[in-house]
Amino acid sequence: AQSVTQLGSHVSVSEGALVLLRCNYSSSVPPYLFWYVQYPNQGLQLLLKYTSAATLVKGINGFEAEFKKSETSFHLTKPSAHMSDAAEYFCAVTKGFGNEKLTFGTGTRLTIIP
Amino acid sequence: DSGVTQTPKHLITATGQRVTLRCSPRSGDLSVYWYQQSLDQGLQFLIQYYNGEERAKGNILERFSAQQFPDLHSELNLSSLELGDSALYFCASSTRDSSPLMYTEAFFGQGTRLTVV
Repeated sequence: AQSVTQLGSHVSVSEGALVLLRCNYSSSVPPYLFWYVQYPNQGLQLLLKYTSAATLVKGINGFEAEFKKSETSFHLTKPSAHMSDAAEYFCAVTKGFGNEKLTFGTGTRLTIIP
Repeated sequence: DSGVTQTPKHLITATGQRVTLRCSPRSGDLSVYWYQQSLDQGLQFLIQYYNGEERAKGNILERFSAQQFPDLHSELNLSSLELGDSALYFCASSTRDSSPLMYTEAFFGQGTRLTVV
């Protein structure tokens, strides 16, 4: 079975500072990993995905994540936080082939301090 | 806009009642997934349909059922509602490809917020 663990349910960073949201995965097969963002009262939007190609994945809005098999991690980073990044972020995993359900982490609420 | 449409956006109903949530997937997407987001349980997979057939089942209560119609839209039926069923229910759709080995991204709708009073 696949699972993901997000460390830190709440993260606060100052505007312009580095954003680091942590995600560790557990999977018995090569995983596909995702980061989704949810803005208040909205649905889930895909930020980026890892599907066994490049280990450093670039997404939308300046976010990127690095797949590290040795650490079973897929942390999300952004060099410089913007006020518009305030949202809830979910890490998710699915099996390494198509049309499978997503298993989500518990989410990390990101607050940006002006 | 993800292309996935969910109706209604908000629903308030009383305990014991039955409701139907509707999802129209992206044009041509064959897979539809239903997820429940609640404060205590987070985002949980409920059920998946692929081209009209049930494909996978998650933590879906027996009081809940779903189906996918020939035009590929899906409905999630929730009955004998309890206060604890209050949640945001998401539909997602994926794949225009019939191969189960071809990964395609899941696109999420805006959700239906169900409040049981």
